[in-house]
Amino acid sequence: ETGVTQSPTHLIKTRGQQVTLRCSSQSGHNTVSWYQQALGQGPQFIFQYYREEENGRGNFPPRFSGLQFPNYSSELNVNALELDDSALYLCASSPPLTFGAGSRLTVL
Amino acid sequence: DQQVKQNSPSLSVQEGRISILNCDYTNSMFDYFLWYKKYPAEGPTFLISISSIKDKNEDGRFTVFLNKSAKHLSLHIVPSQPGDSAVYFCAASGNGGSYIPTFGRGTSLIVHP
Repeated sequence: ETGVTQSPTHLIKTRGQQVTLRCSSQSGHNTVSWYQQALGQGPQFIFQYYREEENGRGNFPPRFSGLQFPNYSSELNVNALELDDSALYLCASSPPLTFGAGSRLTVL
Repeated sequence: DQQVKQNSPSLSVQEGRISILNCDYTNSMFDYFLWYKKYPAEGPTFLISISSIKDKNEDGRFTVFLNKSAKHLSLHIVPSQPGDSAVYFCAASGNGGSYIPTFGRGTSLIVHP
């Protein structure tokens, strides 16, 4: 049984660029959610996907978007990057909620 | 507006002693509470949970206490071990059936040998 894996582990972008982060769900999990963890903060819910459809969204602007694929893997896309988007992005598949190690994004 | 608050950013404890991590919440719709542990360069891992119909749940060295009237929960670790050194996140869910948990900011626990 594999866990939740995320790629890349680290990346650096500049303001205005776009980024795609990827996540492979744990075997048997059909729901995936994404969280943003800024420095000194707890994970903040971005959105959740179930059967390839978004079924819950936190307080994040539309430039944060996602996809879930038939194999339950997922992508998080962020357009028009801002400095405040610098954070650790965590993917979690469920049930039960199981986190990956995260992708650390730095926006310069 | 933080609905789940962990007011102590850090806690330092001697090995063998008790660690008590506290958490307060404001949303009375929360009915399920969880604690996660996070080591550096790893994702948060589930530690223990409690439903609002209980006031205590125990799992080995870890016990979570829930005081619904005070909207307060605490995690007790007895005895504390150096390997317990990590960031602990309190989370709460419910809110009309949604399982999506709301996390606190975390408390960094350091257990000294």
